[in-house]
Amino acid sequence: KNEVEQSPQNLTAQEGEFITINCSYSVGISALHWLQQHPGGGIVSLFMLSSGKKKHGRLIATINIQEKHSSLHITASHPRDSAVYICAVRSMEETSGSRLTFGEGTQLTVNP
Amino acid sequence: KAGVTQTPRYLIKTRGQQVTLSCSPISGHRSVSWYQQTPGQGLQFLFEYFSETQRNKGNFPGRFSGRQFSNSRSEMNVSTLELGDSALYLCASSLTSNYGYTFGSGTRLTVV
Repeated sequence: KNEVEQSPQNLTAQEGEFITINCSYSVGISALHWLQQHPGGGIVSLFMLSSGKKKHGRLIATINIQEKHSSLHITASHPRDSAVYICAVRSMEETSGSRLTFGEGTQLTVNP
Repeated sequence: KAGVTQTPRYLIKTRGQQVTLSCSPISGHRSVSWYQQTPGQGLQFLFEYFSETQRNKGNFPGRFSGRQFSNSRSEMNVSTLELGDSALYLCASSLTSNYGYTFGSGTRLTVV
């Protein structure tokens, strides 16, 4: 079992729909990251969370430390949101450094 | 401000050769981490440098090495290339590991 698991692996939505991507992890963490990767490879860091909830525009990320679970929500989805969304965690055992463990990613396609 | 710059963007090498990839972080960022992304294994942590010192290393063979210069620019080197080293190599910089990361566009290495 992977330390970081995402669901679903693939997601197709119609423009305007509300989207949720889930991430579960099995280790104690000091931080969780949500990343976005477009075709061509470039990665954009969307959020870094250690507790609670963060919002940026139409994106919302939440984390429940006790349940070892995080969700990424996209409101009013748009075709330009089509990308791979990746969850990554930094283990609490990491006293220094930025070693991340990644989920396999969720391929999101938003159709017009 | 300038983002994280990786050079070259694309590279084709022959088995047995060696390769050096470069990463220039955002000005002021002292942490540079490297990642390998392949279709089969996803994103995996290679190593992290902070103030010219390797602070963390992933589970890769000794053929993978790196260094960081006093201006925080980092290089990674892969010797005796194998077909399985074909991948997208990404670097990310941050102020410290407690801050978010900014990723470069990556170097796509093809080993033939």
